[in-house]
Amino acid sequence: QKEVEQDPGPLSVPEGAIVSLNCTYSNSAFQYFMWYRQYSRKGPELLMYTYSSGNKEDGRFTAQVDKSSKYISLFIRDSQPSDSATFLCAMTFTGNQFYFGTGTSLTVIP
Amino acid sequence: GAVVSQHPSWVICKSGTSVKIECRSLDFQATTMFWYRQFPKQSLMLMATSNEGSKATYEQGVEKDKFLINHASLTLSTLTVTSAHPEDSSFYICSARVREQGVNGLFFGSGTQLSVL
Repeated sequence: QKEVEQDPGPLSVPEGAIVSLNCTYSNSAFQYFMWYRQYSRKGPELLMYTYSSGNKEDGRFTAQVDKSSKYISLFIRDSQPSDSATFLCAMTFTGNQFYFGTGTSLTVIP
Repeated sequence: GAVVSQHPSWVICKSGTSVKIECRSLDFQATTMFWYRQFPKQSLMLMATSNEGSKATYEQGVEKDKFLINHASLTLSTLTVTSAHPEDSSFYICSARVREQGVNGLFFGSGTQLSVL
């Protein structure tokens, strides 16, 4: 079983839609959770960072962590064509080793 | 957020030559940097962990003599692909770990596309 599972998609939504991206994980010791956005042939860009359980909001992005279910989510409100990218979830225990999902490809159609 | 600069963005070289990729943390000190390789439409594959002032730790299956990593200062790590061959063509990305103000995360460089002819 992989440490982190993420549906690769692809996911296609109309502009303005709410997008929900998810990851599940197997190790309850993970404490730090991240979401990255990666455009083609670019390095991943850190979007959201969350410690332990709870919600965090930043503009159109909301990250949720449910440690009891070992489930994390990223919500994108009012999606824009510029959001079209691959979104990666990542997590770590203490920062010595990071575990990544395989990434979800998102296309926002104008 | 923390800025990681990676250079060059792309490089084309002949088979048998060596290529050096630089990764710099611009506004913070990075005691630990990570080097990844990424194939098209695939996730990141960790190659090695680079620690300032000590030898890098390589993942299983990664050739230490082919992928030389040097982390001589708190702001610079380099990856040298020695005697490159076409199968080494890939997208290489570095990242630096940030541990400050309660943040424990990774910041990535912009990546280097290596094409070996």
